[in-house]
Amino acid sequence: KAGVTQTPRYLIKTRGQQVTLSCSPISGHRSVSWYQQTPGQGLQFLFEYFSETQRNKGNFPGRFSGRQFSNSRSEMNVSTLELGDSALYLCASSFDRGGYTFGSGTRLTVV
Amino acid sequence: DQQVKQNSPSLSVQEGRISILNCDYTNSMFDYFLWYKKYPAEGPTFLISISSIKDKNEDGRFTVFLNKSAKHLSLHIVPSQPGDSAVYFCAAPGRGGTSYGKLTFGQGTILTVHP
Repeated sequence: KAGVTQTPRYLIKTRGQQVTLSCSPISGHRSVSWYQQTPGQGLQFLFEYFSETQRNKGNFPGRFSGRQFSNSRSEMNVSTLELGDSALYLCASSFDRGGYTFGSGTRLTVV
Repeated sequence: DQQVKQNSPSLSVQEGRISILNCDYTNSMFDYFLWYKKYPAEGPTFLISISSIKDKNEDGRFTVFLNKSAKHLSLHIVPSQPGDSAVYFCAAPGRGGTSYGKLTFGQGTILTVHP
């Protein structure tokens, strides 16, 4: 079965711009969570959606937002980009607590 | 507050020998743990998990041990192979409430297996 698909794989944006990243979960998975990986902070939880509802949010500024559609696909948006937002953004889908499958990530570079 | 900790940033092992990666946790509510392997610029790949009702789980060359009283788990890889060279993360999923859908990760350990 198809895995978790993240698009685009690579992205270069300028400071002040906004960006939207997409995640298509494994079929049947209703939970989608997002993570940011940076060299200094490791893997940090951004937020989680289940059946179109945000159930949990990490400690990130309001510039980071997300949503989930009725088909479980999810998007995350970062507005007013800063240099420090350069990171690998990962999404994971799960059916239950133990089965988190990750996508390949989107590498965002802010210049 | 680092609830899951991997105190060894790196580990170097000879091919064929055992690799032991360690992880400690502070949150007593964690009752399930996962190990992931990650290559640069890719997503983590699930390796093995363990529930708190067990103290050991094996899958081929990978074995995870859990010591609940010490809040410590370890991943053993035997025998180690050069293809095992990657970053290894331990992680714990939340149990509900404000922890829904949240995986808490350790900082990762870079494993290098030399031929």
